[in-house]
Amino acid sequence: GPKVLQIPSHQIIDMGQMVTLNCDPVSNHLYFYWYKQILGQQMEFLVNFYNGKVMEKSKLFKDQFSVERPDGSYFTLKIQPTALEDSAVYFCASSLGTGSYAEQFFGPGTRLTVL
Amino acid sequence: GDSVTQTEGQVTVSESKSLIINCTYSATSIAYPNLFWYVRYPGEGLQLLLKVITAGQKGSSRGFEATYNKETTSFHLQKASVQESDSAVYYCALSDPPSGSWQLIFGSGTQLTVMP
Repeated sequence: GPKVLQIPSHQIIDMGQMVTLNCDPVSNHLYFYWYKQILGQQMEFLVNFYNGKVMEKSKLFKDQFSVERPDGSYFTLKIQPTALEDSAVYFCASSLGTGSYAEQFFGPGTRLTVL
Repeated sequence: GDSVTQTEGQVTVSESKSLIINCTYSATSIAYPNLFWYVRYPGEGLQLLLKVITAGQKGSSRGFEATYNKETTSFHLQKASVQESDSAVYYCALSDPPSGSWQLIFGSGTQLTVMP
């Protein structure tokens, strides 16, 4: 079936540095999402993005977070600066639409460790 | 706000035995939320297993079934005879479109181990 890819699979950085997580969504999908899962906790929604704009974001989507998809390339999540509490697995998803029949397809995740 | 509860973090079942993984939900919208079961096999991304968007209806896929019960606000996942290849983490989730949101809200997941 359709696949979402995420690069890298693991990232280790020092607190205060910038990090960019990359997502290669399903090719004809229009809606993009990031979710965050801290070890041992539930996966939680961060943001969704459509037509170059953030459509919806949660309280977890701090001011240090930003998303973009320049020219139909990777959909990225940038964190600048990073904090210890940003350590988590970040999952990207994409969907063709947002109706009740629009399935979100997920990537395998990027494990981010902030030291 | 909306929430999903999975009470079992881990379930171990012998091959060919039946399975039930419990899921209850709370949704704030007046209308009914959409309900989902997702599965993550080792080393892979989350995959949609089944979904139901109408209360009272049953969804099924790969031998798994779940019925949308509005009275008990439950969406338990069942399978009559599990196989070793079903070992994975199962997540119950909901979306609440009438609230204007398309985000998925997940339960904490249930690790299923099927013993040969």
